[in-house]
Amino acid sequence: DTGVSQDPRHKITKRGQNVTFRCDPISEHNRLYWYRQTLGQGPEFLTYFQNEAQLEKSRLLSDRFSAERPKGSFSTLEIQRTEQGDSAMYLCASSPITGELFFGEGSRLTVL
Amino acid sequence: KQEVTQIPAALSVPEGENLVLNCSFTDSAIYNLQWFRQDPGKGLTSLLLIQSSQREQTSGRLNASLDKSSGRSTLYIAASQPGDSATYLCAVTYTGNQFYFGTGTSLTVIP
Repeated sequence: DTGVSQDPRHKITKRGQNVTFRCDPISEHNRLYWYRQTLGQGPEFLTYFQNEAQLEKSRLLSDRFSAERPKGSFSTLEIQRTEQGDSAMYLCASSPITGELFFGEGSRLTVL
Repeated sequence: KQEVTQIPAALSVPEGENLVLNCSFTDSAIYNLQWFRQDPGKGLTSLLLIQSSQREQTSGRLNASLDKSSGRSTLYIAASQPGDSATYLCAVTYTGNQFYFGTGTSLTVIP
């Protein structure tokens, strides 16, 4: 399968714990995006990478969230000191030069 | 703030009917507009990408049009099938860096 891959698919954690999600984009795509989606809403932009450079970050993203893309390949999204309000689906997407977004299946986070 | 609105929020049609989903956006200077479908609990599947210089795109039974001057796009689905039941989302980008999504139209096709 050569699509966008996300891991884990589901994560249940207790409030205050740290969690990390991984995204493997389509190999030839140099752009990578993280979005968050809650029930009944459209995806909300979190951050964007071009190769290894993080070029844009949502002002809504608190300092508990950090994302990396070492060597311009896979990316990780870490949430520190999770809160119940962080419960959501975390979606990763990649795109080629045309700008068409291709999404993974998402990582669903439940914070108890 | 860039806003994307999708109307209706939900739509139910009998199998075989043709239907139109609507997407409107506040700023006409878009770079790309993309339509997606999302099945419950799943990620988004790309349906059609319309670049700013294009007026429409077609893929099989789907046709998407773009009217930048009026800030609108439509997704036309011909001869709907039960397998088309899903939530349909549109997204716009002005720079290619950040996409703004609507809240989607939930489509149910009744056999």
